[in-house]
Amino acid sequence: DAKTTQPPSMDCAEGRAANLPCNHSTISGNEYVYWYRQIHSQGPQYIIHGLKNNETNEMASLIITEDRKSSTLILPHATLRDTAVYYCIVRVNSGAGSYQLTFGKGTKLSVIP
Amino acid sequence: EAGVAQSPRYKIIEKRQSVAFWCNPISGHATLYWYQQILGQGPKLLIQFQNNGVVDDSQLPKDRFSAERLKGVDSTLKIQPAKLEDSAVYLCASRRAYRGVSYEQYFGPGTRLTVT
Repeated sequence: DAKTTQPPSMDCAEGRAANLPCNHSTISGNEYVYWYRQIHSQGPQYIIHGLKNNETNEMASLIITEDRKSSTLILPHATLRDTAVYYCIVRVNSGAGSYQLTFGKGTKLSVIP
Repeated sequence: EAGVAQSPRYKIIEKRQSVAFWCNPISGHATLYWYQQILGQGPKLLIQFQNNGVVDDSQLPKDRFSAERLKGVDSTLKIQPAKLEDSAVYLCASRRAYRGVSYEQYFGPGTRLTVT
C-alpha cells in the first residue's frame, strides 16, 4: 500500500471549515483513499473514501487532486465533537472484496470553541 | 443495527499471565479483523478472518498470540504469556464482504490491556 503523510496536529475554530491535508505521492491507479477518525477512547470510524473523483457525504467532502498525489478532507462546519485523530489511508482494491487498512499516526484535530 | 461488541473493556494482568478478548461482529459481516493499537500510534492489523478461515496472520506474533473464529461469527484473541510490550488497546472490526464491492470496516470500542 502507498504511504501517506499527514501533519501531526491542526486546530480549527468551531463553526469553521476544517481542511485536513494528506500526501500520497506514490499512490497507484487502483488504490483508493480512505479517511477514518478516532475519537478519544473509541474505535476508528469510517468517514469517506474515493478513487479519482471528489466525493461528498453527510459527514465530509473528499477532494482528490487530478494527479491523485494528494487529497484534502473537508469538514464543512466543525463542532467540538469533531475533535479526534483523523487517519488518511491508501489501500489497494483487490477486486475480490478483501482488503486491509494500514494506519499511520494521523492528524490530531482540535476544534477550539 | 447493533455495532461490533467487545469484552472486556479493560483488563489488567501481570506479565507472563494469560488473557483472552472476545469480539462479536455485526450480524452478517463475513470479514473480521483484530488490530493492536499502542498509545500514540495508529491501529496495526494482527489478523484477518473471512468467515471462519484466516486470510492473513502475517503480523500476528504466533509464539504468544492466537486467534480463532470457530463458527464464522464470534472471535477470540488470546495472549499467552503476556509481556509488558503487549500493553495496548485491542480493536476488533468487521466488514460485510461482497464480491466485487467494497464496504467500510466497522470498529468496536476496543479492550484496553495493561500488563504490569
